Amino acid sequence: SQKIEQNSEALNIQEGKTATLTCNYTNYSPAYLQWYRQDPGRGPVFLLLIRENEKEKRKERLKVTFDTTLKQSLFHITASQPADSATYLCALDMRGYQKVTFGTGTKLQVIP
Amino acid sequence: EPEVTQTPSHQVTQMGQEVILRCVPISNHLYFYWYRQILGQKVEFLVSFYNNEISEKSEIFDDQFSVERPDGSNFTLKIRSTKLEDSAMYFCANLDRGTYEQYFGPGTRLTVT
Repeated sequence: SQKIEQNSEALNIQEGKTATLTCNYTNYSPAYLQWYRQDPGRGPVFLLLIRENEKEKRKERLKVTFDTTLKQSLFHITASQPADSATYLCALDMRGYQKVTFGTGTKLQVIP
Repeated sequence: EPEVTQTPSHQVTQMGQEVILRCVPISNHLYFYWYRQILGQKVEFLVSFYNNEISEKSEIFDDQFSVERPDGSNFTLKIRSTKLEDSAMYFCANLDRGTYEQYFGPGTRLTVT
């Protein structure tokens, strides 16, 4: 079965720097790879989706890359702010609108 | 902005009791999902639902679980005989078929004692 690894449980970064989070997976590449933000006690909030035939996607200060050869996605937050502190989840949707498999998440702390 | 709502926000029940968790999805979304998250663990897929039937379910979603849309708007998850290990946050989600974005509800915290 598909296994997802996110690089670290926690990542501390200075305000203004770029945070880079990693998501690695085994087996087959998903049709869609998604990134979510989750705050304590809340539901995940969708941030970005990238398709298997796309290399990069951007949205404001966020950038996602997808390398199906390495079976890896990188998630970047540029000019990070304390308000960006949250847990970031990588999720794989293998076929589209069916089962979505989540990673364990990386807890990002942006230090002022 | 439209949002997914869930009730109750917190449910406490005794082991062996039945619980029904409710979700009001975004009106024009047709794909529905239930996920659970045990405290400190990852979000786990339970079931997807489309066109009034289950389209996919996980190993977790055994005979104790069922889903339905009783009145064409609400979407419910029923656990027939709760176990201690069912204690978790349960999230309902809808899919925007145009963008493939999943919109999650705020969750129901289920505590089984």
